[in-house]
Amino acid sequence: GDSVTQMEGPVTLSEEAFLTINCTYTATGYPSLFWYVQYPGEGLQLLLKATKADDKGSNKGFEATYRKETTSFHLEKGSVQVSDSAVYFCAIDGSSNTGKLIFGQGTTLQVKP
Amino acid sequence: GAVVSQHPSWVICKSGTSVKIECRSLDFQATTMFWYRQFPKQSLMLMATSNEGSKATYEQGVEKDKFLINHASLTLSTLTVTSAHPEDSSFYICSAFHSTDTQYFGPGTRLTVL
Repeated sequence: GDSVTQMEGPVTLSEEAFLTINCTYTATGYPSLFWYVQYPGEGLQLLLKATKADDKGSNKGFEATYRKETTSFHLEKGSVQVSDSAVYFCAIDGSSNTGKLIFGQGTTLQVKP
Repeated sequence: GAVVSQHPSWVICKSGTSVKIECRSLDFQATTMFWYRQFPKQSLMLMATSNEGSKATYEQGVEKDKFLINHASLTLSTLTVTSAHPEDSSFYICSAFHSTDTQYFGPGTRLTVL
């Protein structure tokens, strides 16, 4: 079945460091890809998404490119801030196009001043 | 962006009792809502799809008689955990499917069964 694998955390960075969180997926079709962020004590928020191969999603300085050949959707940010500390979830909507999301295990990011 | 609320935000109950959790889309109508369960430091696992005006569809391994879902209106879905036991303690999260093909998530409900 469809699945999502994220790099394990926690990831601890200093402010202004470069961030990469790896995400790979398996799916039989052509899913849409998402990154969600969960700040402490809050619900999940959509960070960015991409719906087809080579699409780049971007928001708040974060970027991710839909790489069909490597089935990946790695999250990057050039300069992280303390306020970026949160849990990041990679997700796909699966092959059935029903809106059901399959999530990776989440990666905790801690940014230190 | 669109807002989804959940009520209550946390609940503590005794073993054997039932607990109802509400999920509301505040500024849009949602024919489809989803219920997820999140264990500590783990990912979200889809439990069921709630469709307005019809029966919910449950994921494999989820007991439909244990987790009753009702989607009586375009802005409200409820999840009732019946005869709750300590192993049902978890963080329950709903999402509502917006017309823009984006899901908006509620803040979650922490259930603790004593």
